[in-house]
Amino acid sequence: AQSVTQLDSQVPVFEEAPVELRCNYSSSVSVYLFWYVQYPNQGLQLLLKYLSGSTLVESINGFEAEFNKSQTSFHLRKPSVHISDTAEYFCAVSDDGGYNKLIFGAGTRLAVHP
Amino acid sequence: GAGVSQSPRYKVTKRGQDVALRCDPISGHVSLYWYRQALGQGPEFLTYFNYEAQQDKSGLPNDRFSAERPEGSISTLTIQRTEQRDSAMYRCASSLMGESDTQYFGPGTRLTVL
Repeated sequence: AQSVTQLDSQVPVFEEAPVELRCNYSSSVSVYLFWYVQYPNQGLQLLLKYLSGSTLVESINGFEAEFNKSQTSFHLRKPSVHISDTAEYFCAVSDDGGYNKLIFGAGTRLAVHP
Repeated sequence: GAGVSQSPRYKVTKRGQDVALRCDPISGHVSLYWYRQALGQGPEFLTYFNYEAQQDKSGLPNDRFSAERPEGSISTLTIQRTEQRDSAMYRCASSLMGESDTQYFGPGTRLTVL
């Protein structure tokens, strides 16, 4: 079965600084990869996903993630963060069964300070 | 349009009582998922439906937990003889078809067992 490791439980950063949230998953033949975001007092929202094709995927609010098969990683990056990016970010991987049974990491709390 | 809704949003119960948590998916969504999220952890898969058929219940922790979706729309997760360790956020998600389709999450039900 798949597993997901988010190495950082909390990441503090100043506004307009770059940020990287790390995610590693256990190896598999093929996987779907996801980043979900949870803003304070809200539910989980899909930020971006990798299914196939280009290994670099982008979200509409400036985040990007790169699928690295050799390193079994799917790190999330943003070159310049805003206060409004403060949230908890969850990396998830599809189970080997192929459908969307998602295995989540423990989450990384991103705190953006002025 | 309306998103996934869950009720109640908060439930406090005494140990030994039964609880029923309701999920109303996005209209037309075929697949429905239940997850449980403990404090400081990512969501953990419980069970999954396509239409009214329960496809996978491997994540249900024991036989006190059950779920149904009798008409292929609304789903109920029932926990019998609740225990303190059942306290968690219970999240429901739905997707249009299943494999590779985005899962849309509801706001969750916060269950506290005293």
